Amino acid sequence: QSVLTQPPSASGTPGQRVTISCSGSSSNIGSNYVYWYQQLPGTAPKLLIYRNNQRPSGVPDRFSGSKSGTSASLAISGLRSEDEADYYCAAWDDSLSGRDWVFGGGTKLTVL
Amino acid sequence: EVQLVQSGAEVKKPGESLKISCKGSGYSFTSYWIGWVRQMPGKGLEWMGIIYPGDSDTRYSPSFQGQVTISADKSISTAYLQWSSLKASDTAMYYCARLVVVGGSPDAFDIWGQGTMVTVSS
Repeated sequence: QSVLTQPPSASGTPGQRVTISCSGSSSNIGSNYVYWYQQLPGTAPKLLIYRNNQRPSGVPDRFSGSKSGTSASLAISGLRSEDEADYYCAAWDDSLSGRDWVFGGGTKLTVL
Repeated sequence: EVQLVQSGAEVKKPGESLKISCKGSGYSFTSYWIGWVRQMPGKGLEWMGIIYPGDSDTRYSPSFQGQVTISADKSISTAYLQWSSLKASDTAMYYCARLVVVGGSPDAFDIWGQGTMVTVSS
């Protein structure tokens, strides 16, 4: 059971806009930044969004992130076949013993 | 080019020990934390812990405390993840990743190694 909750799957057709949700709590998303990672089949995760809505250099502006309260979303517009991947949200979680990094369970995006 | 290069795939028997590595290059290895992440077959990502190679300060996820040891040798820009007695349930892909710190606060894991597959089977 992951600390952050994501839908296990999402899908869309080329050109469509899809969103992936991520739900947490006051100790993680509610008080810290949210990050998103893309994992293409058979490859290592890649940083897609940092600090809620910032894109690293090289990430297309088709990808955007947002956060509200204890939830966050990743939006992908102009969907392409190469976007088919697993997407993970993540955040730091403030526990009594310090800060732990927590991931969502991942969402498998299928481009139909 | 900033990169993390991990050691190759391992096949071990239950009860054996193992140490896998993650070598950083293209940046100041002692100025960034390195984290380890487990991905069991067909499953999601799990954070295991982090180490600061500059002074070997280490923090473990409660789920992995006592199960693995994270270490680093700053003289060769390499971080390690080790087991003293492997179990079949340790079969997984293990990734190392560089952690960016901004204003004293941990931020993103921005650079990832290619992963090391560990298979534990009798």
